[in-house]
Amino acid sequence: AQSVSQHNHHVILSEAASLELGCNYSYGGTVNLFWYVQYPGQHLQLLLKYFSGDPLVKGIKGFEAEFIKSKFSFNLRKPSVQWSDTAEYFCAVNRLNTGNQFYFGTGTSLTVIP
Amino acid sequence: GAGVSQSPSNKVTEKGKDVELRCDPISGHTALYWYRQSLGQGLEFLIYFQGNSAPDKSGLPSDRFSAERTGGSVSTLTIQRTQQEDSAVYLCASSLAPRQGPSYEQYFGPGTRLTVT
Repeated sequence: AQSVSQHNHHVILSEAASLELGCNYSYGGTVNLFWYVQYPGQHLQLLLKYFSGDPLVKGIKGFEAEFIKSKFSFNLRKPSVQWSDTAEYFCAVNRLNTGNQFYFGTGTSLTVIP
Repeated sequence: GAGVSQSPSNKVTEKGKDVELRCDPISGHTALYWYRQSLGQGLEFLIYFQGNSAPDKSGLPSDRFSAERTGGSVSTLTIQRTQQEDSAVYLCASSLAPRQGPSYEQYFGPGTRLTVT
């Protein structure tokens, strides 16, 4: 089945460690790619997005993601995490040729230990 | 309003009762989405509206679920004869339609936590 896969379900890191969260999708055609974050007790909010152009996109709070078309991947990275990055992270794919549907991964829970 | 609003924020209902969940999107957003977020399940797409029409209803889990949108704005998700497995957080999001610009994104509401006892 077509899907968005986030292989890391729960990640625990110490502050200052580097982060990489995997996201793979199986949809063909033109896609837009997103990472959303949900801090404890808060709404889902956009972290970064890719539509076209430079496959390395930068978002808020020092996060970046790289789109690798040949691997159908859009991994999220941050060189040095902080305790305040503790949150749930969701990868999402928007398929334009299906009428603007968004498909989300199951999420990765990140816990950063001070 | 400044953001997407949803009501009620919490709803506890007895099994077999009907519930209505409301979503007020950001003004001017023509696209509206409903999702269900269950513990450990991520976001499950339910239905998508473009204006008042729903091009894609494929995510509705059963015929007990229905949704409508009137005036291109407010949407209501109705669950009839609720079951315990319907317990979840129901999220609404809105966005501009693609033709309104390449930089559209979804803006999420705070959700409605539904508990079926």
